[in-house]
This record gives sequence, structure tokens and C-alpha cells, in this order.
Amino acid sequence: GAGVSQSPRYKVAKRGQDVALRCDPISGHVSLFWYQQALGQGPEFLTYFQNEAQLDKSGLPSDRFFAERPEGSVSTLKIQRTQQEDSAVYLCASSSEVPGQLRETQYFGPGTRLLVL
Amino acid sequence: RKEVEQDPGPFNVPEGATVAFNCTYSNSASQSFFWYRQDCRKEPKLLMSVYSSGNEDGRFTAQLNRASQYISLLIRDSKLSDSATYLCVVNGRVYGGSQGNLIFGKGTKLSVKP
Repeated sequence: GAGVSQSPRYKVAKRGQDVALRCDPISGHVSLFWYQQALGQGPEFLTYFQNEAQLDKSGLPSDRFFAERPEGSVSTLKIQRTQQEDSAVYLCASSSEVPGQLRETQYFGPGTRLLVL
Repeated sequence: RKEVEQDPGPFNVPEGATVAFNCTYSNSASQSFFWYRQDCRKEPKLLMSVYSSGNEDGRFTAQLNRASQYISLLIRDSKLSDSATYLCVVNGRVYGGSQGNLIFGKGTKLSVKP
């Protein structure tokens, strides 16, 4: 597959449960972004990795959210003690460009649709 | 004020119509602008970048007005397959984003009817 893949595609969690969302970026892509998209809204930035380094986590809504990319390829977004307001689509995007390139193109995965009951 | 604001829509137009979407952004130092398309329950996909001089790709024309901090997208001869949500997007670097995260508007839904 040439595109960004994410798993699971759908996740139903009970309030208080921990969840882990996986992103497989396009092979060789340096930059990886996580976004959260609530119903009827545009995606909102959560965090950014350049290779294995998490350079920006300013968008993470609380300390219950944690992301990692230990080998600079696959990334996992973990949400601890899920709350109903965490229900959203979580999108992963990757880009081949390094920081500073103004016209970098981000390629999005299909997203993980999380529903917290 | 939101960083990126768009027409709320929805826009319901007949096939063949011309439709225009407008968008404003709050930071005059913004440097990169895009239109993304998002189909229902799908991921956003880049439709086109927006250049200072304006640019055209087939039936789609994007314009940028830096003085007014305004971006537009014009779709001519609308097709049924154009039905989607159109997202106005600005590169977030000048908003404090460290490495170019994208800032999205809420999107404008377009429905093209036969």
C-alpha cells in the first residue's frame, strides 16, 4: 500500500478505558502529524513528529493523551481514561518534506473513528 | 476570532452551476494556503495549493488576497462528483506551530444536484 494507513478504523470504548491508535505513514516520510476531527468541524492539530522526535505536542488536549514514534516510522496515539468528549475521528498525516518547506503536502490516512460510551 | 473562517454553507447547486467559496485567515504573516476536499466519512485530500498570483486547475480556480487576508475557490460547471466538504487550510507555522501543522476551517459543504 502506498498511502497512510491507520488501525483500527473504528473503536468503541467504555468511559475510563485506555485506547491505542496506530498510524503507518508512507514509507520514508520524515514528518508525521496527528489531528482530531470532531463532528461538523475541521481537523485540529494534536502533535507532530520529525522522525522519532516529538517536536510539538501543543495541541494535545490533556495529559491523558500521549503519542510516540520510537523508530521514526509507525506512530501510536494513546488515550488514557477515555471520556465522552474524546469521541472524534483521529487522523494521521505524513509528509516527505523536512521542516521549513513552505509547500509541504500532507497525506492523510483514513482515520480512526473513536466512540466513547 | 478563529484563525481560519469559512462560509458556513451548505451550498446546494444544480449541475453546471458556478459556485464560489470564501475564507479569511487571521494572521497576516501566514505563508501557505490550501484547499482540501473531504468526502463524507473519508480523509481530507489536497485539492490545490493557493499561490499569490492565483492558480487554476481545470474547473477549479483559487485566489489569494493578502491585503484582505482572503482566499477563494471557484468551481465552474459543477459536477455531481464535486459534492463534498471543502476545507480552507493555512499552514500553522506563524500561529506558533513549530513545524508546519495545518490549520483548518470548519469546512463548507457542497451538494450538487442533478
